[in-house]
Amino acid sequence: QVQLVESGGGVVQPGRSLRLSCAASDFSFNDHALYWVRQAPGKGLEWVARISSHGNEDHYADSVQGRFTISRDNSKNMLYLQMNSLRGEDTAVYYCARDPGAPGRAMDVWGQGTTVAVSS
Amino acid sequence: DIQMTQSPSSLSASVGDRVTITCRASQIIYNQLNWYQKTPGKAPKLLIYGATSLQSGVPSRFSGSGSGTEFTLIISSLQPADSASYYCQQGYSYFPTFGGGTKVEI
Repeated sequence: QVQLVESGGGVVQPGRSLRLSCAASDFSFNDHALYWVRQAPGKGLEWVARISSHGNEDHYADSVQGRFTISRDNSKNMLYLQMNSLRGEDTAVYYCARDPGAPGRAMDVWGQGTTVAVSS
Repeated sequence: DIQMTQSPSSLSASVGDRVTITCRASQIIYNQLNWYQKTPGKAPKLLIYGATSLQSGVPSRFSGSGSGTEFTLIISSLQPADSASYYCQQGYSYFPTFGGGTKVEI
């Protein structure tokens, strides 16, 4: 079935880097823009980054601009989030999500999430 | 960035009650508004897109209305499975901000 599966989370020290991956299956991957969204403990949902279907356009939340990089490999049906200079406030469950393509930039398919904990 | 403000931040209601959640955008976003349900330990679930369109598989007791800057999510007859947090999200800009969420307790 249509599915997104995240991996790569873990415990990391402040200032270090981590790369998250998201594997897609059972849909036409290169037809869809993709997102990373996170939820910190006890907090609401926060959009992190978006990448266009062909990977030539990306956008970032102010909180991660300049530290995080979203990318994709359409030949492998994979989405990535490179996270550098990590901070305690980056601690969260990170989800990848699909844009169905209709106007309105909704997120109709989500992964189960991967947990990132930034701690010394 | 477009700011999204939800109210109330939490509510308590009984099974069968009609529940209304409001979302306000800091600028006109036409109908580019989506609603999600989030339960602990699970991924968010898209309920409503384009302000009023019900996502496939979502029970018909959920509905959305509004346009411009004011939007509403209605649960017509609250069920135990609806105990969750609900988030609006604007899709008008390339920076798709979420509201702060509404926690619904039964």
